[in-house]
Amino acid sequence: QQQVKQSPQSLIVQKGGISIINCAYENTAFDYFPWYQQFPGKGPALLIAIRPDVSEKKEGRFTISFNKSAKQFSLHIMDSQPGDSATYFCAALGAWGAQKLVFGQGTRLTINP
Amino acid sequence: DAGVTQSPTHLIKTRGQQVTLRCSPKSGHDTVSWYQQALGQGPQFIFQYYEEEERQRGNFPDRFSGHQFPNYSSELNVNALLLGDSALYLCASSGTDQETQYFGPGTRLLVL
Repeated sequence: QQQVKQSPQSLIVQKGGISIINCAYENTAFDYFPWYQQFPGKGPALLIAIRPDVSEKKEGRFTISFNKSAKQFSLHIMDSQPGDSATYFCAALGAWGAQKLVFGQGTRLTINP
Repeated sequence: DAGVTQSPTHLIKTRGQQVTLRCSPKSGHDTVSWYQQALGQGPQFIFQYYEEEERQRGNFPDRFSGHQFPNYSSELNVNALLLGDSALYLCASSGTDQETQYFGPGTRLLVL
């Protein structure tokens, strides 16, 4: 199964709070998991990425947590700011030579000031 | 250093027509992938070009075709347009680090 399931569909967080978006996959051949941020009218921008041999990766306020046995990974945005309001997509890339990204359905994040 | 560029930004066509979208990859990148993003959905992989050849294809009909030029730029062609082809078409490029794909701003296609 080459699907990535993402939740929630939408999320509202107060400024300064923690935003958490979750993704799950089935195909164990996936070996690269990026997160993209997309603002209205723009293309997706790479935010942070992780491989299954690492359980956590942090870049600034953004952290990916990875649970290989559960085939789940999540994005945590600490100290969420109104400028973080965007749509976030998780994605997965396979290790079988195919370079196609398989995307989740997206989470519309709104940070209230 | 320019990122990935796409043209045109917006396009309106009628059913049955043909359309060509263009993409210039990020400097130093030799691989171009095309994705279709329907409203409210995640991008769906159409195909990828490397060394002027289609290397990988997603679940899209033959009405979707592409080309890559010696300078690594690429075109996406869609024939016999359907209403359901209305979407944002995204181009992504990658280089030696094939996993890291950088997206352009997209072309918004509306089929009436």
